[in-house]
Amino acid sequence: DTGVSQDPRHKITKRGQNVTFRCDPISEHNRLYWYRQTLGQGPEFLTYFQNEAQLEKSRLLSDRFSAERPKGSFSTLEIQRTEQGDSAMYLCASSVQGAGRVGYTFGSGTRLTVV
Amino acid sequence: EDKVVQSPLSLVVHEGDTVTLNCSYEVTNFRSLLWYKQEKKAPTFLFMLTSSGIEKKSGRLSSILDKKELYCILNITATQTGDSAIYLCAVWGGSEKLVFGKGTKLTVNP
Repeated sequence: DTGVSQDPRHKITKRGQNVTFRCDPISEHNRLYWYRQTLGQGPEFLTYFQNEAQLEKSRLLSDRFSAERPKGSFSTLEIQRTEQGDSAMYLCASSVQGAGRVGYTFGSGTRLTVV
Repeated sequence: EDKVVQSPLSLVVHEGDTVTLNCSYEVTNFRSLLWYKQEKKAPTFLFMLTSSGIEKKSGRLSSILDKKELYCILNITATQTGDSAIYLCAVWGGSEKLVFGKGTKLTVNP
């Protein structure tokens, strides 16, 4: 499979728990992005990595959110002390060039439900 | 702040109909506009339009960008049930993020 992989596909957690999601981009893509999509909305940008460097973060990314890409390959997104408002689809995307030049390749997402 | 507005938000048609989806935008430093199709989970890339390429066509889908009026349309002719999806419009303003609209949910009934 040469697409963008995300794990898990679904996660149900209790409010206050920590969760971590993983994204494996297309192997030759050096750019990796995280987006969040809630029902009835388009994806909203969270953060961007070029190789292992996190170069841009949205103000949507509160201090409870942290993302890493330690070796410039896979990435993790951790949410601490989850809240019901964190319930959303978390999409990962990758690209070999800039975002708007060739378009992203998105993964299938991780759907988070906080109860 | 960059902004994308799509209309209509929802559309129901019969197979064979032609549909037009609209996307208007405000972006400080317009570089390109992109269309994605989202069927179940992952949005898939359809088109990218820039100032130097204001019209794109692929099969039954075509898109025209009006950079002066700051909007773009996506036309789908002879719709099929497989066209049922959410169509997302996004703009690129030169940073590494895309700004998406809320999408148009298209339902094509047999």
